[in-house]
Amino acid sequence: GAGVSQSPSNKVTEKGKDVELRCDPISGHTALYWYRQRLGQGLEFLIYFQGNSAPDKSGLPSDRFSAERTGESVSTLTIQRTQQEDSAVYLCASSLWAGQGNTGELFFGEGSRLTVL
Amino acid sequence: GDSVTQMEGPVTLSEEAFLTINCTYTATGYPSLFWYVQYPGEGLQLLLKATKADDKGSNKGFEATYRKETTSFHLEKGSVQVSDSAVYFCANYGGATNKLIFGTGTLLAVQP
Repeated sequence: GAGVSQSPSNKVTEKGKDVELRCDPISGHTALYWYRQRLGQGLEFLIYFQGNSAPDKSGLPSDRFSAERTGESVSTLTIQRTQQEDSAVYLCASSLWAGQGNTGELFFGEGSRLTVL
Repeated sequence: GDSVTQMEGPVTLSEEAFLTINCTYTATGYPSLFWYVQYPGEGLQLLLKATKADDKGSNKGFEATYRKETTSFHLEKGSVQVSDSAVYFCANYGGATNKLIFGTGTLLAVQP
């Protein structure tokens, strides 16, 4: 597609429920990133994919968070047993590749706003 | 580890005032440096970048120079407009980490 697409744009859920957030990167981009932005705070790195593998999962806050990517395309971020502190905007970004020679320009989607009641 | 520190906001200026938002970084090796902007109700977008020391990134009247000796990448604009009101994020991308590390963001409010 023309840009990074994320869905849903807004999600309200009850504490304890599971949620899935989807990211469709720019076609041909092999690197895909997930960030979290809590209200009034900066961007917190969660995980990135190079192709379908995730070399760096260091930012995932707990084992309730997981992500996968298939076909070097769509990625899904899953949050199990949501808590109120999970409320945030979850941003997805993609780039041509990650690593040597990449100058690091990322293209961001508009985010999925998650509210946990 | 890699990090970015930028001045806290909010920064409130009158239209046509001079803007500086300070940013310093720590990184292993030679990172690329970025300023991203988030306008109200919109997604994050790249404003400008510099990929090596002494490079100057520029866009929409904004400039930032990659200073290796002071590990800084301060954002400047000579004359701000109301339409520049947004949150500005400084970021570094290191080849060793393969990810963008962001500062906490600086809210700029420009008043007519």
